[in-house]
Amino acid sequence: AQRVTQPEKLLSVFKGAPVELKCNYSYSGSPELFWYVQYSRQRLQLLLRHISRESIKGFTADLNKGETSFHLKKPFAQEEDSAMYYCALSGRGSQGNLIFGKGTKLSVKP
Amino acid sequence: KAGVTQTPRYLIKTRGQQVTLSCSPISGHRSVSWYQQTPGQGLQFLFEYFSETQRNKGNFPGRFSGRQFSNSRSEMNVSTLELGDSALYLCASSPGDREAQYFGPGTRLLVL
Repeated sequence: AQRVTQPEKLLSVFKGAPVELKCNYSYSGSPELFWYVQYSRQRLQLLLRHISRESIKGFTADLNKGETSFHLKKPFAQEEDSAMYYCALSGRGSQGNLIFGKGTKLSVKP
Repeated sequence: KAGVTQTPRYLIKTRGQQVTLSCSPISGHRSVSWYQQTPGQGLQFLFEYFSETQRNKGNFPGRFSGRQFSNSRSEMNVSTLELGDSALYLCASSPGDREAQYFGPGTRLLVL
């Protein structure tokens, strides 16, 4: 079964500390993986996708097929990074179905 | 380009009523997906439309239905509303399969 697991509901770090939001997936094949972010009172928006291999707002994520993980990392957290983060998977033939994890709420304290 | 828009933004209905939600995708996007978001279940896929055809459907009862028009605008309908249908309903559009989806602000439905 296709599944996305985000083991932490809440992650609290201090400003300037490194942050890693974990995402593990279950999928037999080559998935497309995404990170979405939802800031307070804003819509869900794409942060990054593994195929583009970009760094957005200082965040990076590497797809580890051996560990079936797609963890989101940032070396120095900022207060404006506080938000809800969702990892999502799109499988072959998914036809518009993104499978989301339950999300991790990141709180960056001053 | 203008983003995905959804109307109305808020709705209050009573049990047994029906409701229709509307979504306008980003110009040029032909795929429109709908999701239900609740605190307990998170984001769950309802269905997806592409060129006026439903291509995929999630695990929801037949009370949930949708359609897409020739201009790619989409509507979803929920009949015989139940208390458990209270949720944020999100619409997302995409240029194609396995591409990123771009979300609207959602319609918050409260069923009393």
